[in-house]
Amino acid sequence: RKEVEQDPGPFNVPEGATVAFNCTYSNSASQSFFWYRQDCRKEPKLLMSVYSSGNEDGRFTAQLNRASQYISLLIRDSKLSDSATYLCVVNKGYSTLTFGKGTMLLVSP
Amino acid sequence: EADIYQTPRYLVIGTGKKITLECSQTMGHDKMYWYQQDPGMELHLIHYSYGVNSTEKGDLSSESTVSRIRTEHFPLTLESARPSHTSQYLCASSEGGPQEDTQYFGPGTRLTVL
Repeated sequence: RKEVEQDPGPFNVPEGATVAFNCTYSNSASQSFFWYRQDCRKEPKLLMSVYSSGNEDGRFTAQLNRASQYISLLIRDSKLSDSATYLCVVNKGYSTLTFGKGTMLLVSP
Repeated sequence: EADIYQTPRYLVIGTGKKITLECSQTMGHDKMYWYQQDPGMELHLIHYSYGVNSTEKGDLSSESTVSRIRTEHFPLTLESARPSHTSQYLCASSEGGPQEDTQYFGPGTRLTVL
């Protein structure tokens, strides 16, 4: 089983749509969880950390389910500029992170 | 925006050449990392450092080497470049600590070995 698994997509949605991405991880000892965004041929950039209680940042909501080892990202009111690959990231100890392969989102007019 | 820099941004070089990819950060972060990423694929950790004079190999075996003589500087060296080294190399840094795992990335070096 891969350490971090994501549906690669692409998810094709119209502007204004709500879209959700899921991610599962295998290391039950993981303590830190993140969503990063990566534009084509660019570096990953932190979108948000994911906390046990769930957290929201504007149109973005992240949820963590430790029992199921599952992380989600919800994007409301999608914008064209949201088109990117979204990376699910989990720590594996000693401050090293494991990156998922990413889910591609394409938002169309 | 993170203050982490990589040079060169693009490098095309012939087989057998020695190359050094530079990475510097001005945030005073103790921990630094090198990742390799092929198009459409996930990032693979190839080296990391907890601080000055500390270097560790990552999950992906790599023929490259790194050094950490100064906190802000974490160069990666390939003694003899080969076409199989063609990839994007991304440098990152973090404050470290159990609640401070967030990594900030440089813009990357896109390496092509002919």
